[in-house]
Amino acid sequence: DAMVIQNPRYQVTQFGKPVTLSCSQTLNHNVMYWYQQKSSQAPKLLFHYYDKDFNNEADTPDNFQSRRPNTSFCFLDIRSPGLGDAAMYLCATSSGDRVSTDTQYFGPGTRLTVL
Amino acid sequence: GQNIDQPTEMTATEGAIVQINCTYQTSGFNGLFWYQQHAGEAPTFLSYNVLDGLEEKGRFSSFLSRSKGYSYLLLKELQMKDSASYLCAVGPYTGGFKTIFGAGTRLFVKA
Repeated sequence: DAMVIQNPRYQVTQFGKPVTLSCSQTLNHNVMYWYQQKSSQAPKLLFHYYDKDFNNEADTPDNFQSRRPNTSFCFLDIRSPGLGDAAMYLCATSSGDRVSTDTQYFGPGTRLTVL
Repeated sequence: GQNIDQPTEMTATEGAIVQINCTYQTSGFNGLFWYQQHAGEAPTFLSYNVLDGLEEKGRFSSFLSRSKGYSYLLLKELQMKDSASYLCAVGPYTGGFKTIFGAGTRLFVKA
């Protein structure tokens, strides 16, 4: 019954070692988002895809990249994780239908630890 | 600039009513969302307001005043499981899909 799935739920990596987080969805939504959320802070949008169109936020570091090979999957690549990148990474989807409320549906998140 | 303000923490008693306020100043507006987020979990959708007034959904109600840039979430008959963070979010912006989130209000429900 899961609609937005994130793997892994917990990821530990070493300083500077590349890591990839994955997200998949069964909702057939057009839009997929990646957020970074640190403790007691608002989710911060890193980028989103509308279908294959990639939209990067101006303040997202180059260290963060994303791929969306098809409608169902989206990946977050962190090329050289720093200690400051330790956070919860949330994937979300929305229909992208401008007529609707465009509610976002979130996955359970991946908690990244950088040693 | 974009700014969403909500109280950091609130405490209420089981069975009581609590109102969580949110004020926003954003360059665009296409609706206001409230999400619930339990510790260590993802946000889940609670409500959406795009027109002024009150939207009621069971024990939860949400109010919007666009002219004042103000919203509140009202929780009635509080239960222990309502202990969570409540995120106010504005968007998506016309022509785009960006939603701005507030930092959340952490609600503690005590017996």
